Order: sequence, then C-alpha cells, then structure tokens
Amino acid sequence: GDSVTQMEGPVTLSEEAFLTINCTYTATGYPSLFWYVQYPGEGLQLLLKATKADDKGSNKGFEATYRKETTSFHLEKGSVQVSDSAVYFCALSTLLGDTGRRALTFGSGTRLQVQP
Amino acid sequence: DTGVSQNPRHKITKRGQNVTFRCDPISEHNRLYWYRQTLGQGPEFLTYFQNEAQLEKSRLLSDRFSAERPKGSFSTLEIQRTEQGDSAMYLCASSATRGRLSYEQYFGPGTRLTVT
Repeated sequence: GDSVTQMEGPVTLSEEAFLTINCTYTATGYPSLFWYVQYPGEGLQLLLKATKADDKGSNKGFEATYRKETTSFHLEKGSVQVSDSAVYFCALSTLLGDTGRRALTFGSGTRLQVQP
Repeated sequence: DTGVSQNPRHKITKRGQNVTFRCDPISEHNRLYWYRQTLGQGPEFLTYFQNEAQLEKSRLLSDRFSAERPKGSFSTLEIQRTEQGDSAMYLCASSATRGRLSYEQYFGPGTRLTVT
C-alpha cells in the first residue's frame, strides 16, 4: 500500500538556520502531496501542497517540490524562526480501492525545535 | 467560516464504556473524514462520508466503531465497549469537491480519548 517516510526528529536548529525535512513516498498512480503543520496544542494545518510532478508548493517561506523521479517532497525554508517550532507531517492523497476516492496517508511527523 | 469544530476536546472514560464524539465540518464541504492519531505517529484514515453516505471504511474501524452523518451536516463517531487501545486523538477533516482541490482537507482540533 501507499506509504510516506519522513526523517526522524527532533530537528534542532538555531534561529535563521536553513531547514530541510526529508520526505519520500511510495504510491500507486499520481497522488497529490501535502505538508501539514501541528503547532503545540493546536490541530493540523495545511502548510502547502503540490498536485503534479515538478509543481512547487510554497507558503510562509516554506517550499517543497514534487519530484516524481525520486518520489520525494522535501520541505525547505531558508531562515527558520522560533515560531516555526512545531511538528511537520508529509502526506499524500491515497486511492481507496478502485473507486477513485482518496484519503490522506501521513508520515510519522518530524518535530522541529528552533532555538533563539 | 469558523473552520472544523470537534466536541468534546477531551474525554476520559473507563474501559467498557461507550463514547460519542461530534464533528461539525466547514459548512459548504460535502466530504467528511475521520482519522485516528496515536502518540508520535501521523493520523490514520478511519472512514469517509460524501454528504450523508458513508462510502469508505478502513480495516482499522472495528465493529465497535460506528459513524454517522445524518443530513450530510455534522458527524458522530461512537466507540462501544472502549478498550485501552482506543486511547488516541480522533481527528475530523472536511473538504469540498472542486476538481483536484477536492483532496485538500481541513482538520479540526481533535478529541483526545483516554481509556482507563
């Protein structure tokens, strides 16, 4: 079945450092790819998405490019802030049987800690 | 638009008791999903509604679990004869049907269930 693999955390960075969180996936067909963020005590928020190969999703200084050839969707940010401290989840839209319907398959999450 | 809401936010129950959770999706969204998230893991798909019809159920959804979405508005998830293994965060998400944007799901804050 479909799966998402993320780098294990926690990732600890100093403020203004460059961030990369690796995400690779296994899927049938051509899924859409997502990054969700979960701040402490809050629900999951959609951070960015990409719907086809070579698409780049971006939001709030974060970027990720849908790489079909390497089945990857790595999250990057040029300069992290303390307020970026959260858990980041990579996800893909998984086919549910042969109905064409889809749900999300998530990775296990990567905790990011940014120190001042 | 107040987003997806869930009640209660926390529930502590004794093993063997029944519990019911409620989800109110974004008003114009016709698709509703339930997920379960255990500590340190990403959410896992449980079930999916389109309007009032429950169209998909995961193998994770045992016979003790039942979900409804009367009139295609709010949804309830009931767990009968709770077990300690049911302790988790139960997440609800909703999405609209607008081409490929139909895979973009918006999550509620979740209901944290603790079974003692």
